[in-house]
Amino acid sequence: DAGVIQSPRHEVTEMGQEVTLRCKPISGHNSLFWYRQTMMRGLELLIYFNNNVPIDDSGMPEDRFSAKMPNASFSTLKIQPSEPRDSAVYFCASSLGGYRGRASEQFFGPGTRLTVL
Amino acid sequence: AQKITQTQPGMFVQEKEAVTLDCTYDTSDPSYGLFWYKQPSSGEMIFLIYQGSYDQQNATEGRYSLNFQKARKSANLVISASQLGDSAMYFCAMSPNFGNEKLTFGTGTRLTIIP
Repeated sequence: DAGVIQSPRHEVTEMGQEVTLRCKPISGHNSLFWYRQTMMRGLELLIYFNNNVPIDDSGMPEDRFSAKMPNASFSTLKIQPSEPRDSAVYFCASSLGGYRGRASEQFFGPGTRLTVL
Repeated sequence: AQKITQTQPGMFVQEKEAVTLDCTYDTSDPSYGLFWYKQPSSGEMIFLIYQGSYDQQNATEGRYSLNFQKARKSANLVISASQLGDSAMYFCAMSPNFGNEKLTFGTGTRLTIIP
């Protein structure tokens, strides 16, 4: 299995530019998560989808951030316009989901390191 | 709301010794899942072990075991016979519904294994 695939792995952009991060979850997984990792705030959930439907977007910082999951094999996280404080590592993760009593760990992609100048 | 506390920012352990990484949690949910992840210097997040709140026995996965004390709300990770490759950041996390929902992470513990 290829695991969770993220692209690009590194992105350097200038303030004000639009940034699009992409994620392909593990085939068969029905939950997808976007996390952000920074030194100051640690790992925090931005949004998660279940069966392609956004379930909780309370972690999305502001309207500049948007996420979509048009089908079970693809998701995007878009930042428009980007700001220097958005610099972070963005992880996508997927899981099988499950029922009470059964473990369903999340498998993380390699992350996208975003730098906004 | 859920909260994870990891009080050890860094630890140094001699190779081949056992190490315990502390994790305490707080939640009002009656059912939840507890996880440990490893993040080596390369940056990827690697799932290590899981414990469900209703599990009667402590979880084990190879050299990893989870010391789950529900009454004390602690879920410490024990690594037996540590190896140089165990040097990494370790994150404790929890979810409200056995892993099908968002993970809340602790601040992590940086473990360094000394040869």
